[in-house]
Amino acid sequence: DTGVSQNPRHKITKRGQNVTFRCDPISEHNRLYWYRQTLGQGPEFLTYFQNEAQLEKSRLLSDRFSAERPKGSFSTLEIQRTEQGDSAMYLCASSFDKETQYFGPGTRLLVL
Amino acid sequence: GENVEQHPSTLSVQEGDSAVIKCTYSDSASNYFPWYKQELGKRPQLIIDIRSNVGEKKDQRIAVTLNKTAKHFSLHITETQPEDSAVYFCAALRPQGGSEKLVFGKGTKLTVNP
Repeated sequence: DTGVSQNPRHKITKRGQNVTFRCDPISEHNRLYWYRQTLGQGPEFLTYFQNEAQLEKSRLLSDRFSAERPKGSFSTLEIQRTEQGDSAMYLCASSFDKETQYFGPGTRLLVL
Repeated sequence: GENVEQHPSTLSVQEGDSAVIKCTYSDSASNYFPWYKQELGKRPQLIIDIRSNVGEKKDQRIAVTLNKTAKHFSLHITETQPEDSAVYFCAALRPQGGSEKLVFGKGTKLTVNP
């Protein structure tokens, strides 16, 4: 499968724990995006990278959230001290042309 | 910032009928408008997109129209089939402003009844 991949697909954690998600973009895409989707809503932008540079962060991305793309390939999204309100689907997308964004299958997070 | 409104939130049609979903956007500088289809538990899948220099685009049974003056765009699905049942999201993007984030509508749940 040459599409965007994400791991894990599901994560259950207890409130206060840290979690880390990984995204592997389509190989020739230099742009990588993170979105969050809650039930019944469209995806909401969190942050994006061009190569290894993080170029924009949403106000939704509190200081408990951090994202990296160290070598301009895969990316990780870490949430520290998780809260129940962090429960959502975390989607990654990649692009080669600033516009056409292809999504991964997402990581569904449940914080108990 | 950009705001995208999408209507209706749910739409039920009979197989073979047409379905139309409408979106409005607030930022006149937005110039790229994709539509995504999301089946239950699956990733959003890009099905068609349109750029602001084009008024209409068609791909088999799917078409999108754009009215820049009124700041609205629509998805048209003809000859609907049960496999068209899904949630459809519209989105808008304004890349020239330096932002590359897609702003999504809240989605339309389409049900095609056999």
